[in-house]
Amino acid sequence: DAGVTQSPTHLIKTRGQQVTLRCSPKSGHDTVSWYQQALGQGPQFIFQYYEEEERQRGNFPDRFSGHQFPNYSSELNVNALLLGDSALYLCASSLMAGTEQPQHFGDGTRLSIL
Amino acid sequence: AQSVTQLDSHVSVSEGTPVLLRCNYSSSYSPSLFWYVQHPNKGLQLLLKYTSAATLVKGINGFEAEFKKSETSFHLTKPSAHMSDAAEYFCVVSGGAGFQKLVFGTGTRLLVSP
Repeated sequence: DAGVTQSPTHLIKTRGQQVTLRCSPKSGHDTVSWYQQALGQGPQFIFQYYEEEERQRGNFPDRFSGHQFPNYSSELNVNALLLGDSALYLCASSLMAGTEQPQHFGDGTRLSIL
Repeated sequence: AQSVTQLDSHVSVSEGTPVLLRCNYSSSYSPSLFWYVQHPNKGLQLLLKYTSAATLVKGINGFEAEFKKSETSFHLTKPSAHMSDAAEYFCVVSGGAGFQKLVFGTGTRLLVSP
């Protein structure tokens, strides 16, 4: 049973560029959440997708956008990259059945902005 | 709004001695609480969860946590530390009111010496 898989594992971009990160949820899960983890900090919630719609959003600018596909996989897009966007981006999947459902995390994509 | 406070940024123990990682929470709702562990350059692994059932929660790898509503605490313990326990630990509260947004503490780095 495959867990949450993310690609790529590492990425290097320059300021102003655009990036797309991908996530496949754990088998049987229908909800995908994205988190940003800056170095030495705890993860910060970016947004959550369910039924191909953004259901919740954290305190992130519109440069951060996403998409969920019919097979429940998801993409995170970041436009006009800034140095401060350098971070580990984590995808988590779960069942949309209440707050008690634990989220399962992938190993993340390490994004470095030069 | 939900929040958690991890009271120690670093905890150092010797192998074979008890571990105590402290967490206080704030929640407008009956909270769902979690502990996650993160090993270097890896994603987050769920250790245990509290969802209003038994107040003493047992998790993986010998960890357990006790939910104390009167003290708004959810401390993580383990009777005997192992070298492989060295990692970053995050106390997490769920967003409440049907939302699955996770709010992370700032983390506690556990150091285990021989």
